[in-house]
Amino acid sequence: ETGVTQTPRHLVMGMTNKKSLKCEQHLGHNAMYWYKQSAKKPLELMFVYNFKEQTENNSVPSRFSPECPNSSHLFLHLHTLQPEDSALYLCASSQNGGYGYTFGSGTRLTVV
Amino acid sequence: GQQVMQIPQYQHVQEGEDFTTYCNSSTTLSNIQWYKQRPGGHPVFLIQLVKRGEVKKQKRLTFQYKKKKKNSSLHITATQTTDVGTYFCAVALYGGATNKLIFGTGTLLAVQP
Repeated sequence: ETGVTQTPRHLVMGMTNKKSLKCEQHLGHNAMYWYKQSAKKPLELMFVYNFKEQTENNSVPSRFSPECPNSSHLFLHLHTLQPEDSALYLCASSQNGGYGYTFGSGTRLTVV
Repeated sequence: GQQVMQIPQYQHVQEGEDFTTYCNSSTTLSNIQWYKQRPGGHPVFLIQLVKRGEVKKQKRLTFQYKKKKKNSSLHITATQTTDVGTYFCAVALYGGATNKLIFGTGTLLAVQP
């Protein structure tokens, strides 16, 4: 257990489905992140939240919709995804000021 | 956009051999962090370097931040099978937000017993 919990661990969804990924951190951090990890590609930053305010949207398609109700919880709402969106979605948290990230175990998403 | 390249992409060594991965950026960097991701796992923070020319050690791992602040290296002495995984550098751009990290392409290390 890393202190950052992601659910579900695995998700298979059709292109017309709507689903949500959940992330919760128990570390008292004030920044949370979504990263996408595809095969043979670097980790791609998607969204950054600082004190529950979105500070970065890295040109992510609107079919990915983040939500951060408080500093401990982060969601990623998914709708009308494409097969190329299949990947490992990683949530991370950190304290501001240039500290290391703590990653969750990720959600392995398959879009069929 | 900003790219951070690591070389090599893949390295296969015999247990006991040394290993080095290099992290290169075309622009001046602020902080550099290193992470390790085991097969099937998630990235785990190893260390952060902030000063030009800085060298830090963790047991058999040596991390170096080059003087020009555009690249860094991770060296493992006498590799063990537990060192298997992908090693990523992650950089904050000079003058950029320290909570916006760009991850490198990674180096996958395989260690044969």
